[in-house]
Amino acid sequence: EAQVTQNPRYLITVTGKKLTVTCSQNMNHEYMSWYRQDPGLGLRQIYYSMNVEVTDKGDVPEGYKVSRKEKRNFPLILESPSPNQTSLYFCASSNWYQETQYFGPGTRLLVL
Amino acid sequence: SQQGEEDPQALSIQEGENATMNCSYKTSINNLQWYRQNSGRGLVHLILIRSNEREKHSGRLRVTLDTSKKSSSLLITASRAADTASYFCATDEDSSNTGKLIFGQGTTLQVKP
Repeated sequence: EAQVTQNPRYLITVTGKKLTVTCSQNMNHEYMSWYRQDPGLGLRQIYYSMNVEVTDKGDVPEGYKVSRKEKRNFPLILESPSPNQTSLYFCASSNWYQETQYFGPGTRLLVL
Repeated sequence: SQQGEEDPQALSIQEGENATMNCSYKTSINNLQWYRQNSGRGLVHLILIRSNEREKHSGRLRVTLDTSKKSSSLLITASRAADTASYFCATDEDSSNTGKLIFGQGTTLQVKP
């Protein structure tokens, strides 16, 4: 089944404790992206990747890192989480030419 | 930056009625997409309409695009309780060529049985 998976689905952590949210897709998509969703602000793009080893900042990259060492994986790293990073995070992927983005189920993060 | 802006923000209708949501955007686009999100879950792609298309259908969904007015509408006919969700329009930025999508804040649709 074609899908985008994210782990963990729920995470409670404390300020400053490094964490990684994994994202994996099995559709051989070139394009992958991370979004955060906050009430009243909609979805905002954090980082995106157009192919292996090619990443770029989205609209709200501060406090986040990403890597794209393999085509299927695109982890999101919070080196030193802060409470303002409490949010619902989505990973998405697409075949560049098809443009439709496939979303993962979301990771709900609470930073205390 | 928020390119797509949906209207209304919330809509409540009875099962069987039609639901219409509108989206406006600011810059030129290659395509516009509509997504559905059930509460707290991932977004699901509904339909994509390209800038050279004016209308597109998919089952009970009808999407129109007016590039002169920079607006689109999503019509759901004969609504069902299962259509209760948030609906988002998303546009690409024609000039960026990055595949980046910009989402609006969504319309929350409630369909009462």
